[in-house]
Amino acid sequence: KAGVTQTPRYLIKTRGQQVTLSCSPISGHRSVSWYQQTPGQGLQFLFEYFSETQRNKGNFPGRFSGRQFSNSRSEMNVSTLELGDSALYLCASSLSWGGSDEQYFGPGTRLTVT
Amino acid sequence: GQSLEQPSEVTAVEGAIVQINCTYQTSGFYGLSWYQQHDGGAPTFLSYNALDGLEETGRFSSFLSRSDSYGYLLLQELQMKDSASYFCAVRGGGGADGLTFGKGTHLIIQP
Repeated sequence: KAGVTQTPRYLIKTRGQQVTLSCSPISGHRSVSWYQQTPGQGLQFLFEYFSETQRNKGNFPGRFSGRQFSNSRSEMNVSTLELGDSALYLCASSLSWGGSDEQYFGPGTRLTVT
Repeated sequence: GQSLEQPSEVTAVEGAIVQINCTYQTSGFYGLSWYQQHDGGAPTFLSYNALDGLEETGRFSSFLSRSDSYGYLLLQELQMKDSASYFCAVRGGGGADGLTFGKGTHLIIQP
């Protein structure tokens, strides 16, 4: 079974631009979560989707948004990029919402904002 | 909000046993999980505890005490490949909140 895939793997953007990151979960997984990882703040929860509905959201500004499609694929968007948005963005999928928290992570998208 | 505390770094010897502690604060505790992340890699799931007690998976065990808001990850028969960062993560809000991760413990294995 193929793992979680994320595209693109690397991205360089300029301040003020916007970016869209994509995540394809493991086949059969219906829940997708997004995290931001930085050396200073560690792994921070962005949002979690299940059955195309956002179930919860972390403490990030409204510039960060996401959505989930009927095939469980998910995208996250960051508008008006800031230098501090430079990070590794990780997507994780799980069979359903709640439960054992056994999440499978993708390789991440490394975003650099200049 | 939710918060977790874990040591930033632990050093151990190959073949030995090491324990990584985690204390948490959350309302509506739902479960505590552990993840491993090697440098340059993605986090991988190790274990999950929702009830008090010990969960064993091969060389790894995880313990939870809900009354003490405390858990630990125990790694036995340490191997060099166990050198990695280990994160505890908590879900609160009765399961409705997102998963909050600790800052991670960098485990260094010495030969």
